[in-house]
Amino acid sequence: GENVEQHPSTLSVQEGDSAVIKCTYSDSASNYFPWYKQELGKRPQLIIDIRSNVGEKKDQRIAVTLNKTAKHFSLHITETQPEDSAVYFCAALRPNTGNQFYFGTGTSLTVIP
Amino acid sequence: DARVTQTPRHKVTEMGQEVTMRCQPILGHNTVFWYRQTMMQGLELLAYFRNRAPLDDSGMPKDRFSAEMPDATLATLKIQPSEPRDSAVYFCASGFDGVVTEAFFGQGTRLTVV
Repeated sequence: GENVEQHPSTLSVQEGDSAVIKCTYSDSASNYFPWYKQELGKRPQLIIDIRSNVGEKKDQRIAVTLNKTAKHFSLHITETQPEDSAVYFCAALRPNTGNQFYFGTGTSLTVIP
Repeated sequence: DARVTQTPRHKVTEMGQEVTMRCQPILGHNTVFWYRQTMMQGLELLAYFRNRAPLDDSGMPKDRFSAEMPDATLATLKIQPSEPRDSAVYFCASGFDGVVTEAFFGQGTRLTVV
């Protein structure tokens, strides 16, 4: 099966700075890579995703990059704000497995005002 | 606004009791996932259904856990007997196989076994 590793497990940044979270995956057949944000006491919710035919995708202050050769993808948050504080999960989806998601272990991001 | 609905939201039970958690996937979705979340283990996949058939329950302790989908609108996760180490938040998520798309999570059931 797929194995997704995520780093770092915790990250603290000053408000206004950038935050980067990195994930690697093992199965080169994986073709969809979503990122979920989980605020304290709430459900994980999708914030951005990228498919394997794209190298980068941006949505306002959030961007995701994908390097298929190296099998890693990253989440970039610029101009961080206190409301960005949450746990972020990356995931990978292998085709022909019925949309079974493999999640990373999560990164707890704290934005210090 | 279509949502995955989980009940109950919170459950406190004594060790040895049976616990049943329920999930109503989004109408039209044909895949359902059960995840357990603890501080140490992140999101741990317990069971996975497609078209109501169990495809992967390798992450689930078979001696005490069971997962079923009696119909397309209901998925259940049972623990019998429950133990303190089962205390966690249990999430249900649903999606649609055939179109690569996100998994939609329910609000979770926070289980405390004392």
